Amino acid sequence: EAQVTQNPRYLITVTGKKLTVTCSQNMNHEYMSWYRQDPGLGLRQIYYSMNVEVTDKGDVPEGYKVSRKEKRNFPLILESPSPNQTSLYFCASRLQWGAGGYNEQFFGPGTRLTVL
Amino acid sequence: DQQVKQNSPSLSVQEGRISILNCDYTNSMFDYFLWYKKYPAEGPTFLISISSIKDKNEDGRFTVFLNKSAKHLSLHIVPSQPGDSAVYFCAASGTGNAGNMLTFGGGTRLMVKP
Repeated sequence: EAQVTQNPRYLITVTGKKLTVTCSQNMNHEYMSWYRQDPGLGLRQIYYSMNVEVTDKGDVPEGYKVSRKEKRNFPLILESPSPNQTSLYFCASRLQWGAGGYNEQFFGPGTRLTVL
Repeated sequence: DQQVKQNSPSLSVQEGRISILNCDYTNSMFDYFLWYKKYPAEGPTFLISISSIKDKNEDGRFTVFLNKSAKHLSLHIVPSQPGDSAVYFCAASGTGNAGNMLTFGGGTRLMVKP
């Protein structure tokens, strides 16, 4: 089954404790991205990757890191989480980047993160 | 400042009637628009899209209308069904490198009552 998976689905942590949220897709997509969803703000893009070893900042990259060492994986790293990073996070993938037309992205099920 | 806005956070409609969800944008460089549907505890799923060269796109019960001069798009669902109850996000992207990013609105929660 074609899908985007994320782990963990739920995480409660404390300020300053490094964490990683994993994301994996099995569709051989080049493009992957991370979003956070906050009430009234919709989904905002954190980082995206156009291919292996190619990443770039989205709208809200502060406090986050990413890496793309393999095509299928795109982990999101919070080196020192803070309470304002409490949010619902979605990973997404798309076949190609830069295709200004059809931009269907496939989303993972989400990771709900609480930073105390 | 949000470039894509959905001014109605919620909408309630009777089953069988039409649901109209609205979306406004400010960036004239956007040239492709999408609607996503999201159920609780799931990721958004693609619903329908429209290119800026069109003013209407239809897919079954779902129709998206684009008014470029007003920078406004709307999603019509006819007839509405209880299973359509979800949060709907509109999103927009531009050309070239701007096609790498989707800018989302804040979402509208649709409730279809039986």
